[in-house]
Amino acid sequence: GAVVSQHPSRVICKSGTSVKIECRSLDFQATTMFWYRQFPKQSLMLMATSNEGSKATYEQGVEKDKFLINHASLTLSTLTVTSAHPEDSSFYICSAPPTGGPLSTFGSGTRLTVV
Amino acid sequence: AQSVTQLDSQVPVFEEAPVELRCNYSSSVSVYLFWYVQYPNQGLQLLLKYLSGSTLVKGINGFEAEFNKSQTSFHLRKPSVHISDTAEYFCAVSGTGANNLFFGTGTRLTVIP
Repeated sequence: GAVVSQHPSRVICKSGTSVKIECRSLDFQATTMFWYRQFPKQSLMLMATSNEGSKATYEQGVEKDKFLINHASLTLSTLTVTSAHPEDSSFYICSAPPTGGPLSTFGSGTRLTVV
Repeated sequence: AQSVTQLDSQVPVFEEAPVELRCNYSSSVSVYLFWYVQYPNQGLQLLLKYLSGSTLVKGINGFEAEFNKSQTSFHLRKPSVHISDTAEYFCAVSGTGANNLFFGTGTRLTVIP
């Protein structure tokens, strides 16, 4: 079945530095990928929709200059948290729907801790 | 847009007892419905989905859910739970014309030995 690989699974970084999270579709092409954020004991909230070859679409309240999304190929989307702060500490997870299907496959998530 | 309400934030249940996790949704368009399970510090695993057809949907690990359009519900059930079912369960909805999901706030299922 469709597999989405997400790396790293955990990252700890210093405040003010940037962190890149990668999401790859291993056996299918993903023209669209979704990035979600999950704060402790809360639900997943859609941050942005990544579109191959074009600009990402951000949800209201999400800073596009802080959360840079690049979807340069049909199998790779990256989320870069720039100038990270402790309040950015969260669980970030990507998903991608195989072409033509309504069912998204999720990555395994990235636990970001900013100290 | 769509939204999901999971009425119970926590559900404790004894091992081998039945369980029902409630989910209600709202949408102005036709929907697809999903239940996902999340174990600590892990991603989401699809339990089951309703896309069309039979309103009773069977998923993995012995779970099932019934789509009730008139009540806009998609409750998750299991006749006999195991310790390994302890996890966070999320109900999600998407419009049939879109792929992004709207999640409920989750229900923490704790199975008591």
